[in-house]
Amino acid sequence: EIVLTQSPEFQSVTPKEKVSITCRASQSIGTSLHWYQQKPDQSPKLLIKYASQSFSGVPSRFSGTGSGTDFTLTINSLEAEDAATYYCHQSGSLPQSFGQGTKLEIK
Amino acid sequence: QVQLVQSGAEVKKPGASVKVSCKASGYTFSNYGISWVRQAPRQGLEWMGWISGYNGKTNYAQKVQDRVTMTTDTSTNTAYMELRSLKSDDTAMYYCARDGYFPGTDFDIWGQGTMVTVSS
Repeated sequence: EIVLTQSPEFQSVTPKEKVSITCRASQSIGTSLHWYQQKPDQSPKLLIKYASQSFSGVPSRFSGTGSGTDFTLTINSLEAEDAATYYCHQSGSLPQSFGQGTKLEIK
Repeated sequence: QVQLVQSGAEVKKPGASVKVSCKASGYTFSNYGISWVRQAPRQGLEWMGWISGYNGKTNYAQKVQDRVTMTTDTSTNTAYMELRSLKSDDTAMYYCARDGYFPGTDFDIWGQGTMVTVSS
């Protein structure tokens, strides 16, 4: 089973700041890595698929990079509405798995 | 529009079973699969398994494979997840999400979630 480790687990940031969240896989998964945003009392929403492909309708300030075992979600010029928990998800190997989440607080 | 609509909240006693439904609309059900994901209160996301919308083939997570059954009804484009022998730590929000024809793609569409509470 592939374990995904996200860092940091919590980050407090100010608006307009640039934020990077990393996700490390316990073994290589190519680019089968996806990022989701979840706000309180809502279902997760897809942001980035296959490491770097933006999902339709997602603001351009969200971007993803990486392959193999190391991946990064970057949010440029953070906005107040970006306060949420972010999860990575690997679909390259069964069982599929998620990172533990990164909670982003906006100061 | 493309959507997944889940059944309502459930309260069950330990040892009972629960069956959650997930009705798909706005796309060709047989071209995709459905994954089930749960989230315990204040916890992260846990993948439970996948079912094909084409032929009902399944792949379950080892943690629940002895207690879970996923099925589909292609006449109503509905997926079901039944969990048996419920325990208190099965208390969670259960989500269905659109997965690929084969298991292992991004989850682009999610249901609204079904809260299952296990309590005596």
